[in-house]
Amino acid sequence: GAGVSQSPSNKVTEKGKDVELRCDPISGHTALYWYRQSLGQGLEFLIYFQGNSAPDKSGLPSDRFSAERTGGSVSTLTIQRTQQEDSAVYLCASSSLAWAGQETQYFGPGTRLLVL
Amino acid sequence: AQSVTQPDIHITVSEGASLELRCNYSYGATPYLFWYVQSPGQGLQLLLKYFSGDTLVQGIKGFEAEFKRSQSSFNLRKPSVHWSDAAEYFCAVGAGKSGGYQKVTFGIGTKLQVIP
Repeated sequence: GAGVSQSPSNKVTEKGKDVELRCDPISGHTALYWYRQSLGQGLEFLIYFQGNSAPDKSGLPSDRFSAERTGGSVSTLTIQRTQQEDSAVYLCASSSLAWAGQETQYFGPGTRLLVL
Repeated sequence: AQSVTQPDIHITVSEGASLELRCNYSYGATPYLFWYVQSPGQGLQLLLKYFSGDTLVQGIKGFEAEFKRSQSSFNLRKPSVHWSDAAEYFCAVGAGKSGGYQKVTFGIGTKLQVIP
């Protein structure tokens, strides 16, 4: 079946502009994660959604970052007033089981964001 | 909080040689452990995972990993490396949470170069 998809695959923007990144999880997956991968860094957790529960936003680096998930499926990560340090690959992952920690996350191809 | 250390940022091996990528984790309870591979321009792909049971785990593409609790390690191995294995490898540890979801922490990755 279809995997996790993300759009756009690449985004170039000017400093100070807002950007929206989209994630379509695997159908039926109730859990959705956003990560950021900066050059030479590991994956940095940003935010987690599970069903209709309140999201875990503990990883968002600043209040310029926000995310929503509509209808328990598609998610949008918004970065307002982008800064050059926001340049990174933004990865989305989804999983089908989120209890007792026994789940596997399936990753999308990522959106490469470049802020000039 | 859990953490993951991948001490080797970059490794070069000859095609046909054996491979071992090191991973050490820090977590107070029994961890859930993963290895992911990221090929250039590709998303993260799960190689294998350890949740419980047999400490030697077999994965895709001929990879295996062994969980050693006494050493807090989960090293990835392959007996004979192929040129197509050149990629970046991420070790990750997941921890259950009272809220039920799994927060996964990734290492910074080991970049594997394969020479003919």
